[in-house]
Amino acid sequence: GQNIDQPTEMTATEGAIVQINCTYQTSGFNGLFWYQQHAGEAPTFLSYNVLDGLEEKGRFSSFLSRSKGYSYLLLKELQMKDSASYLCAVRDPNSGGYQKVTFGTGTKLQVIP
Amino acid sequence: GAVVSQHPSWVICKSGTSVKIECRSLDFQATTMFWYRQFPKQSLMLMATSNEGSKATYEQGVEKDKFLINHASLTLSTLTVTSAHPEDSSFYICSATSRDSSLEQYFGPGTRLTVT
Repeated sequence: GQNIDQPTEMTATEGAIVQINCTYQTSGFNGLFWYQQHAGEAPTFLSYNVLDGLEEKGRFSSFLSRSKGYSYLLLKELQMKDSASYLCAVRDPNSGGYQKVTFGTGTKLQVIP
Repeated sequence: GAVVSQHPSWVICKSGTSVKIECRSLDFQATTMFWYRQFPKQSLMLMATSNEGSKATYEQGVEKDKFLINHASLTLSTLTVTSAHPEDSSFYICSATSRDSSLEQYFGPGTRLTVT
């Protein structure tokens, strides 16, 4: 089965740094995605990790430890527009040719002045 | 970048009627399309996966006779909600992977369905 856990909500201050954690237990693993979703909109791709380590992309970084079943998304220099839900998603190679992705429940981040 | 469109962006229908939602890949060939449903304050739940020219694969608990999926071409998939009920009201999102890269799913903007 698939189990992906994230904190439900987080609050952080504009200009600060916030880390959103994700732990997963899946039957197979072929990569972990982070998506950003603003209310009423579709998710937008942020990052993809398949190997252990840190991937940096501008203000956003994503870390993966496969042995621990753990990832985090790091947001630096927070801006008000970063207020959104952040979804952790794991791709399962056992899903067949279409590479099924399972989403966590998402973390709603509120950035305050 | 790869763009996926959905139509309509929102729709209101009466109980018992059917509604069709279209998902199109505008600038790439989508070998696989996914249909998700998202209830308020919840995450995306995969409903079904469709590959061009073959029958859709439905997730457990999703009624295939109620949610009809057709992936007629490499750029179009449709989801038809038949005999809609108020509990079918939700945000429906499609995504697609391209022939060139199955790494990333490109999401459509979503369709808000309200059944009265």
